[in-house]
Amino acid sequence: GAVVSQHPSRVICKSGTSVKIECRSLDFQATTMFWYRQFPKKSLMLMATSNEGSKATYEQGVEKDKFLINHASLTLSTLTVTSAHPEDSSFYICSARDTTGGYTFGSGTRLTVV
Amino acid sequence: GQQVMQIPQYQHVQEGEDFTTYCNSSTTLSNIQWYKQRPGGHPVFLIQLVKSGEVKKQKRLTFQFGEAKKNSSLHITATQTTDVGTYFCAGHNNAGNMLTFGGGTRLMVKP
Repeated sequence: GAVVSQHPSRVICKSGTSVKIECRSLDFQATTMFWYRQFPKKSLMLMATSNEGSKATYEQGVEKDKFLINHASLTLSTLTVTSAHPEDSSFYICSARDTTGGYTFGSGTRLTVV
Repeated sequence: GQQVMQIPQYQHVQEGEDFTTYCNSSTTLSNIQWYKQRPGGHPVFLIQLVKSGEVKKQKRLTFQFGEAKKNSSLHITATQTTDVGTYFCAGHNNAGNMLTFGGGTRLMVKP
């Protein structure tokens, strides 16, 4: 089946530094990928929709300059958390719509900012 | 905007008991999807329902889409400890290529 590879799975960074998270569709092309944030025991909250070759679409309340999204190819989207702070600590998950119509999720990245 | 509500938030059952989670949307959906997320894991796609009144089964799991395409349910018969996790519904609206997730129902099964 469709596979979306996301890494790193865990990252600990110092406050003020930036962290890049990569999301790759391994056996299918994804013109659109989605980035979610999930707080402990909570639902997935859509942050932004990443479109290959164009600007990402951000949800209301999500800072574009803080969460930089790049979708440079049909199989790769990246999310960069810039100048991270402890409140940015969370579980970030990407997903892509696969050929079955379902959404395949990456394995997630647990970010801890200290 | 579109809202998707899911109840209950939590459910404890004894192994062998049945379990149902319900999903309601504030707007009509083009389809609804169900996901399972194991503790510490990521959401895994279970199924998609598209047609009004559709019912689909996967072994002990029965998924139903309401006639008005605004609600859905997932029923598990004779739960097992392997069913533990959080079940999310997600509604795909007619306007855009986006899913709105319900809050999830966390299922705990006592052996």
